[in-house]
Amino acid sequence: DAGVIQSPRHEVTEMGQEVTLRCKPISGHNSLFWYRQTMMRGLELLIYFNNNVPIDDSGMPEDRFSAKMPNASFSTLKIQPSEPRDSAVYFCASQDDRNEQFFGPGTRLTVL
Amino acid sequence: GESVGLHLPTLSVQEGDNSIINCAYSNSASDYFIWYKQESGKGPQFIIDIRSNMDKRQGQRVTVLLNKTVKHLSLQIAATQPGDSAVYFCAENIPETGNQFYFGTGTSLTVIP
Repeated sequence: DAGVIQSPRHEVTEMGQEVTLRCKPISGHNSLFWYRQTMMRGLELLIYFNNNVPIDDSGMPEDRFSAKMPNASFSTLKIQPSEPRDSAVYFCASQDDRNEQFFGPGTRLTVL
Repeated sequence: GESVGLHLPTLSVQEGDNSIINCAYSNSASDYFIWYKQESGKGPQFIIDIRSNMDKRQGQRVTVLLNKTVKHLSLQIAATQPGDSAVYFCAENIPETGNQFYFGTGTSLTVIP
């Protein structure tokens, strides 16, 4: 099992550009989470899906952020337009039916 | 200018000694807890979990203790090794919130060879 797969691993972009982060959860897991980690605020939950349906997006900071899960094996987190304060490491995690979360390696985003 | 950020509690231990990392959780309704280890440049990694109907759970070289009276969780690492150097997070699940976990700020453990 390859675990949770995230791409890209690193992204450097300019302010105002659209950024799309991708996640492939572990097969068979029915919940998927997007987190953001910064030195200022630590690990924050942005949104999570259960059976591909968004359950709680209260952690999404602004309308510039959106997330989709079109099927059980793929999710995207999009930022449009990106701003320097969005610079962070973004983690995707999938969860099994025992509530154990498995994190991906993260995407380090730098917005210049 | 001065940067402001989270000030992680830090713990330094000598290789071979035992480590104890503490965590205070926020909600008395929390019924499931997980300890995660995060090494530099990597995502958090599951170490051990415990449910609220237990006081203690042991894994390989790790033990988690749960004190529901004072809402306190601890992670004990026996015979700490250099590879244990990382940031350790506790996370709590509150049943009413569904599958969400709430993470603490973390503790940075440094093992001195």
